[in-house]
Formats: sequence, C-alpha cells, structure tokens
Amino acid sequence: GAVVSQHPSWVICKSGTSVKIECRSLDFQATTMFWYRQFPKQSLMLMATSNEGSKATYEQGVEKDKFLINHASLTLSTLTVTSAHPEDSSFYICSASPAKGLQETQYFGPGTRLLVL
Amino acid sequence: GQSLEQPSEVTAVEGAIVQINCTYQTSGFYGLSWYQQHDGGAPTFLSYNALDGLEETGRFSSFLSRSDSYGYLLLQELQMKDSASYFCALYNFNKFYFGSGTKLNVKP
Repeated sequence: GAVVSQHPSWVICKSGTSVKIECRSLDFQATTMFWYRQFPKQSLMLMATSNEGSKATYEQGVEKDKFLINHASLTLSTLTVTSAHPEDSSFYICSASPAKGLQETQYFGPGTRLLVL
Repeated sequence: GQSLEQPSEVTAVEGAIVQINCTYQTSGFYGLSWYQQHDGGAPTFLSYNALDGLEETGRFSSFLSRSDSYGYLLLQELQMKDSASYFCALYNFNKFYFGSGTKLNVKP
C-alpha cells in the first residue's frame, strides 16, 4: 500500500514551453501533497505544500507564478512549470501524506526528471 | 527557519555497523525522520522519532535527543544494497525540511 505515482518520469522540452507534472496517490487519500526539487548530489528542497481544495503554500524564494500547483482532489496534485528555462532543469519529486493515519509520514513518488534545452 | 547538518560521506565495510549523525537548529518541531535514496530514485521512509530515545526497525535504528538537538541513524549488518544517500528531515507545521544528506559507501 501507500503508492504514489508521478507522470511523466522524464521530460525534455524547449526553453519557453510549459510542462505539467502529475502526482497521484494510488491507494490512499492524501490531505497534503508536497513538491520538492533536487539538484544533482544535493538535498531535497521543499518548493510548496498543497492541500486539496485550497491554494498551495510556497516556500520563500519559489515563484508561485512560475510553478503553478493545483490540488484538484484527494488523490491528484499537479505542478506546472511555466515558461521553462534551462535553470529549471532538475529532479522534481512529489510526496503525499495520508488523510488518515500518521500525518508525519510522507510517501514519495518516483520523481520526474526535467531537462530544458 | 530550520537547518540540519549531516556528514557528506561515510564509508564502511559489509557486515559492519555505521552511524549517521544529524544536528539541527529549529525553533520547534514535531519529530525527526530518516529517508534513504538510491541514485536516480526517490526517497523511501526509514524511521521517525517523535520522542527522545531509540526507535528500532529491523537493521535500522534511529535516535533523537531534543536537549542536544541531535539525532542519528544506526545501520547494522551492513549490506552492499545499503549504499545510498541518507537524509534526516524535521517535521514541523505539516512540512518536512531535509538535511544535506550523507552518502554511504559500503565496501566488500
């Protein structure tokens, strides 16, 4: 149980285009989903926290107009990187905390590697 | 804000015991978690300490001392597959803040 999927796993796009990444909790309902970014050999940096039906809370320094987050249901959150540039190339990982059970537990998706040319 | 520090790299031999330390600074938190991440993969949950003391889960144990702002992950009977990066993370106000990560190299 507690499986989180992400789609796509890999995306290559041209500079200036927008990319949407989906994060789904497959066998549980997630009150909260988190979006992280990880550069090679570095730690996970929390970008934003999204709660179903409400606006996402962005961490300091993260542009909310560039990284659009929509948490449409208890099993789906999306991250859209708008007008992507090469510096946005990174490993984007989502995680989900179950609506029932241990709130301090988060289950990670497999991640999405974004390469902006 | 939160800050967590870990050694960048640790090397140990198969079958040995290794301890990965995590020191932190925070104004308050609910608990300390540990995650494992293999190269190219996503983090997987290992352990969580809400209270001071030792939590044991199989070959892995985690310890927390709030008075010392310190925690550690203990891995016993090391196996080659334990070669990975290990992150501590503070859980606070429904958010998780990750440490810098420790790369564990297990040698035969």
